[in-house]
Amino acid sequence: EAGVTQFPSHSVIEKGQTVTLRCDPISGHDNLYWYRRVMGKEIKFLLHFVKESKQDESGMPNNRFLAERTGGTYSTLKVQPAELEDSGVYFCASSLLQNTEAFFGQGTRLTVV
Amino acid sequence: AQKVTQAQTEISVVEKEDVTLDCVYETRDTTYYLFWYKQPPSGELVFLIRRNSFDEQNEISGRYSWNFQKSTSSFNFTITASQVVDSAVYFCALSYLAPSGTYKYIFGTGTRLKVLA
Repeated sequence: EAGVTQFPSHSVIEKGQTVTLRCDPISGHDNLYWYRRVMGKEIKFLLHFVKESKQDESGMPNNRFLAERTGGTYSTLKVQPAELEDSGVYFCASSLLQNTEAFFGQGTRLTVV
Repeated sequence: AQKVTQAQTEISVVEKEDVTLDCVYETRDTTYYLFWYKQPPSGELVFLIRRNSFDEQNEISGRYSWNFQKSTSSFNFTITASQVVDSAVYFCALSYLAPSGTYKYIFGTGTRLKVLA
């Protein structure tokens, strides 16, 4: 069974550009989460989808970040325009039920220069 | 507020030594879940264990064991007879039910374990 897959694994962009990260959850997992780890700090919650609906997006830093999950399958996280402080590792996770273990992808390392 | 503290930033041990990774958490919730994840050099977070707040029974899985003590709000992780392949960053996490209805993870800052041959 395939795990959570994230694309790309690395992305280097210039300040002001747009980047879109993609996450393919484990098949059948309705719950999809985005987390972010900024250099040297904790991994922090960004948002949670249940199927295609946003259950909680309280962790989204600002309106430059837009997450979608059309059809309740894969999800995208767009950063537009990117700023230097957006650099970090973006993790996606999925779970079968909300209070069960979440399975994480390998992360997308985003560097904004 | 919820918080997870992993005071050990980095630990180095020689192969075959035992090593304990500490995790202390804070929460006012009575129902919560505790996790350990391993992050090898490849980057993904690998699930190791999940405990709910009502189950303080310690668990052993091969060379791994976990000691959950609510009295001290700790959930420590011990690797017995460490191996080079155990080298990774280990994250402790607390999952709690937020007002939104979402179970959110609060992660510690991680402990980097280096096992030397």
